[in-house]
Amino acid sequence: NAGVMQNPRHLVRRRGQEARLRCSPMKGHSHVYWYRQLPEEGLKFMVYLQKENIIDESGMPKERFSAEFPKEGPSILRIQQVVRGDSAAYFCASSPQTATNEKLFFGSGTQLSVL
Amino acid sequence: GDSVTQMEGPVTLSEEAFLTINCTYTATGYPSLFWYVQYPGEGLQLLLKATKADDKGSNKGFEATYRKETTSFHLEKGSVQVSDSAVYFCALISAGGTSYGKLTFGQGTILTVHP
Repeated sequence: NAGVMQNPRHLVRRRGQEARLRCSPMKGHSHVYWYRQLPEEGLKFMVYLQKENIIDESGMPKERFSAEFPKEGPSILRIQQVVRGDSAAYFCASSPQTATNEKLFFGSGTQLSVL
Repeated sequence: GDSVTQMEGPVTLSEEAFLTINCTYTATGYPSLFWYVQYPGEGLQLLLKATKADDKGSNKGFEATYRKETTSFHLEKGSVQVSDSAVYFCALISAGGTSYGKLTFGQGTILTVHP
């Protein structure tokens, strides 16, 4: 029974390149959340998606960042034209339904490094 | 807005020592409070939770009591083991806020336990 799978574990990009982070939720889960952890800070909520819908993107930067969760396949967090300040750990979590704070399962994260 | 503050780390202890990791919060009303743990190479896992004042959450020998008067949720364990070495995150969800997994996290505390 696989958990939340994130890949890659480590991603290195040069400034100006694009970064694509993938998250496969647990089997049977249809809700996905993305969090970002900047150095020396706590995890910060970015976006909440259900299949084919963005429910809450209040934590997403207004430019260069986008997220999707298609009907088939993993959720993708996309960062265009990366800058050094985007270097962080990006965590994905999934849940089977809403109102399940204790049923939130996290992946092990993608560490993005921007050179 | 809501915030969570954890004690500065890292924390280094010998096996069987007593552990306290301090956590204080700022939020309106009565939030739900959580401790998450991240073992090396893994995703965050829910360790324990408390949903109202004076509740005590407990799991795997860890305890934390929801103290409304001091807005605190300190994590304690009477006798730590090497296998407890991990990063510990305190988190909350606002009362009356979203019912889905939009958590506010502290910055995490690295715990290392030596034999």
